[in-house]
Amino acid sequence: AQSVTQLDSQVPVFEEAPVELRCNYSSSVPPYLFWYVQYPNQGLQLLLKYLSGSTLVKGINGFEAEFNKSQTSFHLRKPSVHISDTAEYFCAVRAGGSQGNLIFGKGTKLSVKP
Amino acid sequence: GAGVSQSPSNKVTEKGKDVELRCDPISGHTALYWYRQRLGQGLEFLIYFQGNSAPDKSGLPSDRFSAERTGESVSTLTIQRTQQEDSAVYLCASSRGQWHQPQHFGDGTRLSIL
Repeated sequence: AQSVTQLDSQVPVFEEAPVELRCNYSSSVPPYLFWYVQYPNQGLQLLLKYLSGSTLVKGINGFEAEFNKSQTSFHLRKPSVHISDTAEYFCAVRAGGSQGNLIFGKGTKLSVKP
Repeated sequence: GAGVSQSPSNKVTEKGKDVELRCDPISGHTALYWYRQRLGQGLEFLIYFQGNSAPDKSGLPSDRFSAERTGESVSTLTIQRTQQEDSAVYLCASSRGQWHQPQHFGDGTRLSIL
């Protein structure tokens, strides 16, 4: 069965500092991995996805993630964060077989301080 | 609008009452998903509709939960005899149908059971 672990529930960081949000997955099939962002009182917005090919995936808002098969990780990074990046970030893996739904981690709250 | 629309945005009801939540997917999206987000938790898959196929109900937590979808349009999620543990944000998402297509989320319905 597929599962996702987000190792940090909260990450405080100062503006313009780099940030890494960690995600580890377990999958019995080739994983298809996603990062979503959720701003307060809103739904989720897709940041980036990995399906196959290049292991370094670039997304919106300057975020990128690297798929590491040997470490079963898909960490999200940004070299310089802004106040507006304050939000909750969810890592997800597609459920296997014919299922189309995603399995989500519990989320990481990123707080960017001035 | 062009996005996924959910109504109501907030619902407060008494324990034991039935509630119905509505989701209008993006036009042309054949796949529709319902997720539940409890406070401090990631998203929990509930049910998945794909075109005219039988829905995947594997995530429904009990027989008090049911959902319907009319063709490839509106979906309603019904919770009968609500319990306090049903309090959560219920999120709907739609996609073009192929599993690798990104899921577009609505802003959710915040359900509070008194």
